[in-house]
Amino acid sequence: EAGVAQSPRYKIIEKRQSVAFWCNPISGHATLYWYQQILGQGPKLLIQFQNNGVVDDSQLPKDRFSAERLKGVDSTLKIQPAKLEDSAVYLCASSFNQGATEAFFGQGTRLTVV
Amino acid sequence: KNQVEQSPQSLIILEGKNCTLQCNYTVSPFSNLRWYKQDTGRGPVSLTIMTFSENTKSNGRYTATLDADTKQSSLHITASQLSDSASYICVVSAQTNAGKSTFGDGTTLTVKP
Repeated sequence: EAGVAQSPRYKIIEKRQSVAFWCNPISGHATLYWYQQILGQGPKLLIQFQNNGVVDDSQLPKDRFSAERLKGVDSTLKIQPAKLEDSAVYLCASSFNQGATEAFFGQGTRLTVV
Repeated sequence: KNQVEQSPQSLIILEGKNCTLQCNYTVSPFSNLRWYKQDTGRGPVSLTIMTFSENTKSNGRYTATLDADTKQSSLHITASQLSDSASYICVVSAQTNAGKSTFGDGTTLTVKP
């Protein structure tokens, strides 16, 4: 089966610019996650969707980050405006359902803010 | 507060040697523990998944153990290969809160020829 697809793989922007990342989960997976992974650290959950509803966005900096999964399939994560500290890898993952024992990750988008 | 701590932070071994990575957690109530391998520039890939009733799980040269009483897990790598060089991340999920997962910061393993 096809894995989790993310694009772009790399993005370099200047601070205060905006950027968007796209994720297409594994077909049939109801749960979709966005993580931020800073170099040398483990992934940190930003937002979790169950179909097109938000389950957990407690760690999402809502003043600058937004995410949507309008049709319950693919998802977009946006940062506006970007700060230097947003430089990280943004990982998308999906699982069959929330509470499923296994989640599958995409290759991530490496964002550099200069 | 749910936490997952991994040790060592980094490790260098020679090809062919064995090594053991540690994971201690405070996540409660416990649902499952997963070990992921993350190659540089790639997303994490699942190695093993263990629930409360399982105390050991193998995947080729990788063997994970779980002691739910002491809340400790280890990942043992046998006869290491150069391709084992990666970050190994321990992830623990709770039974509540939609199965929310807590990630460790990983152990960076370097296997040298």
